[in-house]
Amino acid sequence: EVQLVESGGGLVQPGGSLRLSCAASGFTFSSYEMNWVRQAPGKGLEWVSYISSSGSTIYYADSVKGRFTISRDNAKNSLYLQMNSLRAEDTAVYYCARDMIRYFDIWGQGTMVTVSS
Amino acid sequence: QSVLTQPPSVSGAPGQRVTISCTGSSSNIGAGYDVHWYQQLPGTAPKLLIYGNSNRPSGVPDRFSGSKSGTSASLAITGLQAEDEADYYCQSYDSSLSGLYVFGTGTKVTVL
Repeated sequence: EVQLVESGGGLVQPGGSLRLSCAASGFTFSSYEMNWVRQAPGKGLEWVSYISSSGSTIYYADSVKGRFTISRDNAKNSLYLQMNSLRAEDTAVYYCARDMIRYFDIWGQGTMVTVSS
Repeated sequence: QSVLTQPPSVSGAPGQRVTISCTGSSSNIGAGYDVHWYQQLPGTAPKLLIYGNSNRPSGVPDRFSGSKSGTSASLAITGLQAEDEADYYCQSYDSSLSGLYVFGTGTKVTVL
């Protein structure tokens, strides 16, 4: 079964850091580009970051540029999102999503990140 | 940060047809980039509903159809069913400097 499972969410203080992970299974992870997408409580979807299959090409949304870092380990079938200098407005459910030619065909169940003092 | 505009809500009785519009600009839909649609049932992750403007993944009922014209796209649901009550989002690629992918503002479909 093709599956993505996120982990690493939790409660963190403003200015703090958190590292999210996404474990992939059921497909050849190293062949696919990947993304992080987030959804603030009661709000819509927001694309956060993209990484190519090799990890050589990376893009970020302006709202997280300079604070978040996307990476992947193809040997471990895993995608990561290092989040630094977190703000209240980063509070959201974070989804990892497989990129299938500019759309997202597989989504994880999401992990909740709450930034609050 | 959404740059694709959708109506906040649409509603219809069971069996009726409803449509959801998605309006973009010259840097995304108007530039010729494909539009994709996702369904998000309450408390769950989004699910791909339509890709490449009008294609349905395996398992998606043919009651769902998509189209695109100019700087806009539409999702139609015919024969509305209770289980179709959900949030729907359009998505496209954007060639501006502010981001790579953009989502619509989202539409809540209510089955009366």
